[in-house]
Amino acid sequence: QVQLQEAGPGLVKPSETLSLSCTVSGGPVTSGTYYWTWIRQPPGKGLEWIGYVFNRGGTMYNPSLQSRVTISLDTSKNQFSLRLTSVTAADTAVYYCARDLQSIGAFDIWGQGTTVSVSS
Amino acid sequence: DIQVTQSPSSLSASIGDRVTITCQASQDISDNLNWYQQKPGKVPKLLIYDASNLQTGVPSRFSGSGSGTYFSVTISSLQPEDIATYYCQSYGKFRPRTFGQGTKLEIK
Repeated sequence: QVQLQEAGPGLVKPSETLSLSCTVSGGPVTSGTYYWTWIRQPPGKGLEWIGYVFNRGGTMYNPSLQSRVTISLDTSKNQFSLRLTSVTAADTAVYYCARDLQSIGAFDIWGQGTTVSVSS
Repeated sequence: DIQVTQSPSSLSASIGDRVTITCQASQDISDNLNWYQQKPGKVPKLLIYDASNLQTGVPSRFSGSGSGTYFSVTISSLQPEDIATYYCQSYGKFRPRTFGQGTKLEIK
């Protein structure tokens, strides 16, 4: 059974870079069936899709975040990662990694989420 | 980009009620619309994909319908465990994924 687990610092200073990784167990990130996705949820607010990476390293990002976001794949570790630059308090959120089943565009497996606060 | 608008933003209903939440897309997305349930403090869970297909393990009291720009999810008989926030989400080939703003369902 595929499982996803986020990891990374829980506190980031304003203007710095937020970096998270998601380790996939139970299946390869090289599968051509899935997009590997990041989603976030600010406190008390709704879900926001950040973007995805797929097996050949191609990416798609939320247009509102595109200038600050990089999602990449590390096949040697069976992981994918998120980098978000120039963070502000508005980037404080629970960050989820998820598996997007390409054929239905749905997030069928999610990590547990990791809380990231942006504060000095 | 395609926007999806949910209504209502919150809803209060009694146990046993039939409950419907709607989602409208800013342009025709065929049946490329999924629904999620997020219980308080929990991870979102896929409920319905491609507008009307129940994900494995989801109770049959949930159903989805719609195509084009108008979609809905219905709970035929509300149960206490259905209290959650529900999100719609659109997708398409080479298009960003987009979530609706959510509908918070509470017990009256």
